[in-house]
Amino acid sequence: KNEVEQSPQNLTAQEGEFITINCSYSVGISALHWLQQHPGGGIVSLFMLSSGKKKHGRLIATINIQEKHSSLHITASHPRDSAVYICAVNSGGGADGLTFGKGTHLIIQP
Amino acid sequence: KAGVTQTPRYLIKTRGQQVTLSCSPISGHRSVSWYQQTPGQGLQFLFEYFSETQRNKGNFPGRFSGRQFSNSRSEMNVSTLELGDSALYLCASSLFPGTSGLTGELFFGEGSRLTVL
Repeated sequence: KNEVEQSPQNLTAQEGEFITINCSYSVGISALHWLQQHPGGGIVSLFMLSSGKKKHGRLIATINIQEKHSSLHITASHPRDSAVYICAVNSGGGADGLTFGKGTHLIIQP
Repeated sequence: KAGVTQTPRYLIKTRGQQVTLSCSPISGHRSVSWYQQTPGQGLQFLFEYFSETQRNKGNFPGRFSGRQFSNSRSEMNVSTLELGDSALYLCASSLFPGTSGLTGELFFGEGSRLTVL
């Protein structure tokens, strides 16, 4: 079974700061997902990665398959970025379903 | 296009009762997966359906079951409810199932929040 670790658990930063959230996993994967959850519960998929790097607006996600590690970066952070960010992986050929990290609670103060 | 729709959004049940939750995926998506989210355990995978077949199941007791219909809508059922079943139940749809070797973006519904008294 894959073990997914996220760091930090909690992060408070000032508006405009560059944010990095890390995710590491123990077993090889077919894909890694970065998810965003706002208070109230709804989850939005930010990225799905199997290699390399992706960018959407101010968000950048990278993955290093050899190191079993992924990072989510937020540039020019804004209070509306405040949310829980969750890393999830597909492993075992998908037979295990998604395995989730515990999430990173991010607060961006104005 | 319309997103993933889950009903009901909120419900309260008592111990021993059963509950059925519904999930309508995005049009054209044939894969539906279900997840349980609790403060203590976080998000956990329940099961995944593709073309009316359960493709895989997480580590949950047999009280948790599901099915998928020919129109890709899915339901999950929890029988003999326990206090610990209180949770947010989320479903997600995608083009491909996780077991296909292909990977598709996941689209989540808003969830059904179950409280067991």
